[in-house]
Amino acid sequence: DAGVIQSPRHEVTEMGQEVTLRCKPISGHDYLFWYRQTMMRGLELLIYFNNNVPIDDSGMPEDRFSAKMPNASFSTLKIQPSEPRDSAVYFCASTPVSNTEAFFGQGTRLTVV
Amino acid sequence: GIQVEQSPPDLILQEGANSTLRCNFSDSVNNLQWFHQNPWGQLINLFYIPSGTKQNGRLSATTVATERYSLLYISSSQTTDSGVYFCAVRVYNNDMRFGAGTRLTVKP
Repeated sequence: DAGVIQSPRHEVTEMGQEVTLRCKPISGHDYLFWYRQTMMRGLELLIYFNNNVPIDDSGMPEDRFSAKMPNASFSTLKIQPSEPRDSAVYFCASTPVSNTEAFFGQGTRLTVV
Repeated sequence: GIQVEQSPPDLILQEGANSTLRCNFSDSVNNLQWFHQNPWGQLINLFYIPSGTKQNGRLSATTVATERYSLLYISSSQTTDSGVYFCAVRVYNNDMRFGAGTRLTVKP
């Protein structure tokens, strides 16, 4: 397997624009996590899914953020409208159904100007 | 929720030195992992170690689940070991929580 795949790797957008980040988990993994990393707050869990169903979205900072998982092989994190304070690295990770090792994608570095 | 504390926050070593990084957690966990974030930002899996001891080359890790801590040992450090080391814990199949990390700098 190619691992967790995120796209794009880098995104620069203007304030107010919509941004969509994409993640393809490892095949057969039932859990998918979205994290945000900043210098100030470290690695924060935004939302996680089990079998495509959102389980806990309490980490989503505002209504401007939304996440979907329409099928087992694809998830999106959308920010609309984007703001400069959303600038961060966004990571996606997946794990199998059993409580075992998690694997991370390479991240998307988002810059909102 | 569960709290994860890592120490020290920063560590500077001379190449060839040994080091121990610590991770304390506030509740029983079923899953503990150590990651290395390299200077390019990638999160690299080091160990999946909910309990016991594992070794991989110059690195080894020990988790004492009953006492709620884990240790990561780095021996004969190299400049390529520089980066941030994270501990992450999980209770059953719930969310995975990270510590703040230990930033390691290995000088030649």
